[in-house]
Amino acid sequence: GDSVVQTEGQVLPSEGDSLIVNCSYETTQYPSLFWYVQYPGEGPQLHLKAMKANDKGRNKGFEAMYRKETTSFHLEKDSVQESDSAVYFCALSGSSSNTGKLIFGQGTTLQVKP
Amino acid sequence: DAGVTQSPTHLIKTRGQQVTLRCSPKSGHDTVSWYQQALGQGPQFIFQYYEEEERQRGNFPDRFSGHQFPNYSSELNVNALLLGDSALYLCASSLLGGRDQPQHFGDGTRLSIL
Repeated sequence: GDSVVQTEGQVLPSEGDSLIVNCSYETTQYPSLFWYVQYPGEGPQLHLKAMKANDKGRNKGFEAMYRKETTSFHLEKDSVQESDSAVYFCALSGSSSNTGKLIFGQGTTLQVKP
Repeated sequence: DAGVTQSPTHLIKTRGQQVTLRCSPKSGHDTVSWYQQALGQGPQFIFQYYEEEERQRGNFPDRFSGHQFPNYSSELNVNALLLGDSALYLCASSLLGGRDQPQHFGDGTRLSIL
């Protein structure tokens, strides 16, 4: 079945550092890919998305490229800020599903040190 | 414009009891999905409702059931509660349209089983 893997459970950069949060996926279909962000006490919010191969999602200085050849959708930012601290989830929605059902990774906690 | 609202925000039950959680979708949305998020994990899809019918179901036992009303609001029912049912239960709404329609999440109901 479809799956999403995030290899880092937690990342601890300092403010101003660059960031890469890894996301790999497995599916037999052509998924849409998403990054959701979750703040304490809140539900996940859509952060950025890419609907097909070679699309790049962008939001608030974050970027993620939909790479079909490596089945990856890594989240990147040149310079993180303390306010970026949150839990980030990579997710896919398979083209075989006409419901938009989301399959999430385990999440990566980003804690930016001031 | 109200987003997705869920009630109650917190709930404590004992093993063997039954619980009902409620969700009102974002204005204009007609589709409701439910997810279970265990502590430190990504959300897992339970099921989705559209036009008062269950459209797709994830890997959850029949103890989990749902309902959608004509005004698009929805309920999640869980019978014979187990300790392992302790989790954050998230409702997400969208327009019908599969993976191209982003899902908007509520802030969830935190269910604790004693």
